[in-house]
Amino acid sequence: QVQLVESGGGVVQPGGSLRLSCAASGFTFSDYGMHWVRQAPGKGLEWVAFIRYDGSNKYYTDSVKGRFTISRDNSKNTLFLQMNSLRAEDTAVYSCAKDRWSATTMPNDSFDSWGQGTLVTVSS
Amino acid sequence: QSALTQPASVSGSPGQSITISCTGTTSDVGSYNFVSWYQHHPGKPPQLMICEVSNRPSGVSNRFSGSKSGNTASLTISGLQAEDEADYYCSSYTSNSTMIFGGGTKVTVL
Repeated sequence: QVQLVESGGGVVQPGGSLRLSCAASGFTFSDYGMHWVRQAPGKGLEWVAFIRYDGSNKYYTDSVKGRFTISRDNSKNTLFLQMNSLRAEDTAVYSCAKDRWSATTMPNDSFDSWGQGTLVTVSS
Repeated sequence: QSALTQPASVSGSPGQSITISCTGTTSDVGSYNFVSWYQHHPGKPPQLMICEVSNRPSGVSNRFSGSKSGNTASLTISGLQAEDEADYYCSSYTSNSTMIFGGGTKVTVL
């Protein structure tokens, strides 16, 4: 079955960087668009970024543009989120999620699988 | 872009029907049929309940149904059961080529 396992979270100071990973298994990773979604403590879900199945297009929510970069290594079935210039408001559990349909090119699909998430805490 | 607007909480007795609204704008819900609903039990990954406004994925109970009118989408849960108690989130594609979630609705079974 589909498995998505995030790693790389931790405590970082404001202005610092972290790189999250999402190891995928149970499906043909290179066929599916992938997303990062976050949930701040006590808050709702927030979509962060999407990457096309082949990595050729990427989309971001406004609050992370220019600071976060989504990427993927289809040879290693792994999704990444490079987070720079971190702010206190980036504190959240970050989860990766898989598109329901294959070969999507825009972030307009629903998510049929999610990981458990990894906690990122930005604090001095 | 602000989150889609959902009521903070909705409650109902077992067996009743409840409806959760999700209000957006002409830049998201009103212009696209890419509206989804997720059920989220704390500590577990969210589960897709409705996609493309009203489609129910395989394995989801037919007690869950979705619809849309103008800028507002709705999720109806009929025959409310104790296990339906959870947080529910709507999402929509937007004209900025992004995705947006609603603020979430806590469903309580009385």
